[in-house]
Amino acid sequence: DAGVTQSPTHLIKTRGQQVTLRCSPKSGHDTVSWYQQALGQGPQFIFQYYEEEERQRGNFPDRFSGHQFPNYSSELNVNALLLGDSALYLCASGLAGVRYGYTFGSGTRLTVV
Amino acid sequence: QQQVKQSPQSLIVQKGGIPIINCAYENTAFDYFPWYQQFPGKGPALLIAIRPDVSEKKEGRFTISFNKSAKQFSLHIMDSQPGDSATYFCAANSDGSRLTFGEGTQLTVNP
Repeated sequence: DAGVTQSPTHLIKTRGQQVTLRCSPKSGHDTVSWYQQALGQGPQFIFQYYEEEERQRGNFPDRFSGHQFPNYSSELNVNALLLGDSALYLCASGLAGVRYGYTFGSGTRLTVV
Repeated sequence: QQQVKQSPQSLIVQKGGIPIINCAYENTAFDYFPWYQQFPGKGPALLIAIRPDVSEKKEGRFTISFNKSAKQFSLHIMDSQPGDSATYFCAANSDGSRLTFGEGTQLTVNP
């Protein structure tokens, strides 16, 4: 049973560019949350998707947007990249209404140069 | 008010020692407190979690102690092994969706 799958694993982009990161949730899960983890820091909540809608959002600018597809997979889009967007982007899947059991993927390491 | 403060930032123990990692929170709406273990190049993995209606929970070598009145909780790792060397994060949750993480503790267990 595959866990949470994220792609790509590593990515290098130039300031001002746009990037799309992808996440396939664990089988049976229907919610996807995205987190940003800067080097040496704890993950910071970006937003959560359920039933193809953004349900909750953390303190991130509108440059960060997302989408959830009917098969529960999700994309995270970041526009007008800044150097400070360099981080590990983590996707976590879970079951709606279930507090425990969040499963994290291994993340996408984004470097903005 | 949404913060979870974690200490120490790093910790070194000898094999068999009992590292203790502490966390404190302010938001009294938090009612679920998980601990995660993260190895380099991997995402966080759930270790153990507790709700505020109990003061202690044990799973294998991992124990959470919870002090609701002080708004503090801690992770104890019994009989620590070199394979336990990783970064540990405490977290808190109040609404079933977002997790608020601490800053992390880098644990090194020497052979």
